[in-house]
Order: sequence, then C-alpha cells, then structure tokens
Amino acid sequence: GAVVSQHPSWVICKSGTSVKIECRSLDFQATTMFWYRQFPKQSLMLMATSNEGSKATYEQGVEKDKFLINHASLTLSTLTVTSAHPEDSSFYICSASAAYEQYFGPGTRLTVT
Amino acid sequence: DQQVKQNSPSLSVQEGRISILNCDYTNSMFDYFLWYKKYPAEGPTFLISISSIKDKNEDGRFTVFLNKSAKHLSLHIVPSQPGDSAVYFCAARSGGSNYKLTFGKGTLLTVNP
Repeated sequence: GAVVSQHPSWVICKSGTSVKIECRSLDFQATTMFWYRQFPKQSLMLMATSNEGSKATYEQGVEKDKFLINHASLTLSTLTVTSAHPEDSSFYICSASAAYEQYFGPGTRLTVT
Repeated sequence: DQQVKQNSPSLSVQEGRISILNCDYTNSMFDYFLWYKKYPAEGPTFLISISSIKDKNEDGRFTVFLNKSAKHLSLHIVPSQPGDSAVYFCAARSGGSNYKLTFGKGTLLTVNP
C-alpha cells in the first residue's frame, strides 16, 4: 500500500517551454501533497505544500508563478514548470501524506536544454 | 539555519556489522522523526519512524533511538547488508505543521561485502 507515482520519470525540454509533472497517490487519498527538488549531492528541498481544493503554500524563495501547482483531486497533484530555463534542470520529487508518514514518488528528472 | 543535521556525509561498514547513522536537530517543536532510504534517481523510501514520546522503535534489522534531551536520534542497522547501501535521510516534523517534513542532508552508507 501507500504507492505514489510520478509521470513522466524523465523529460527533456527546450528553454522557454513549459513542462507538467503529475503526482498520483494510487491506493490512498492524500489531502496534502508536497513537491521537492533535489540538486546533486544535496538534500531534498521542499518547494511547496499542496492541499486539495486550495492554493499551494510555497516555501520562501520559490517562485509561485514559475512553479504552478494544482491539486485538483485527492489523488492527483501537478507541478508545471513554466518558461523553463537550464537552471531549472533538477530532480523533482513529490510526496503524499498518509497519517504521520509521507510516501514519495519515484521522482522526475527534468533537463532543460 | 539547518534544523536537522546529519554531520556525516558518508559511512562505510563491513557486511554483517552494525551501521549507526546519526542525526541532530535544533527545533524543540519537532515531535515526530522519520528515516528514509534513497537510491540515486529514485524517490525516498520510508524506513522507520519514532514519536517524541518514545525513545526506541524497532522494526526487523532497523532500530531508531531518540534522545530528546540531547536532540539526537540514530538509526541502527544490524546486521548490515550490501543491499543497504544507499543515502539515508533523517526527517523531522513539528506538530500541527500539516505534515511538513524537514530533512537532513543525508548520509551515504556503503556496506562492503
């Protein structure tokens, strides 16, 4: 149980385009989902907290107009990287909370050329 | 200000021996602690957790110890196996924080055959 999926697992896009990443909780309902970013050899950096049916809460320093988050249902949250630039290249990971634990998706490797 | 610290970036142990991974925290509001295991290019996998009302939690080969007065927790893996080689993240949550986790930077564990 407690499986979280992400799609796509990797994506390459051109600078200036937008990319959407989906995060789904497959066997449980998650009122709260989280989006993280991980740089090489670094910790997981929380970008935003996504609550179903309401606006996401962004961490300090994260541009909400650049990283659009939508949590339309109890099993789906999406992260859209708008007008992507090479510095947005990173590993993006989502998680969904169930009781006290967070369960993580497998991550999405974004490369912006 | 790093609220969760894993001061050892790496640890190497022999197969069959004990692995001890350490984590320190500064925020006294943290009331729940978790350990995650992560392989490269994958999302973290939940391992074991402990509430602040306990000082020990055991699950198979994994035991987590919590010393609240020292604001210190540790993960013991006995016996260590080569398949345990991964990055281990310590995470902490404060009550009422909507399950938001604060992560340490991780410790790379290498178990040598």
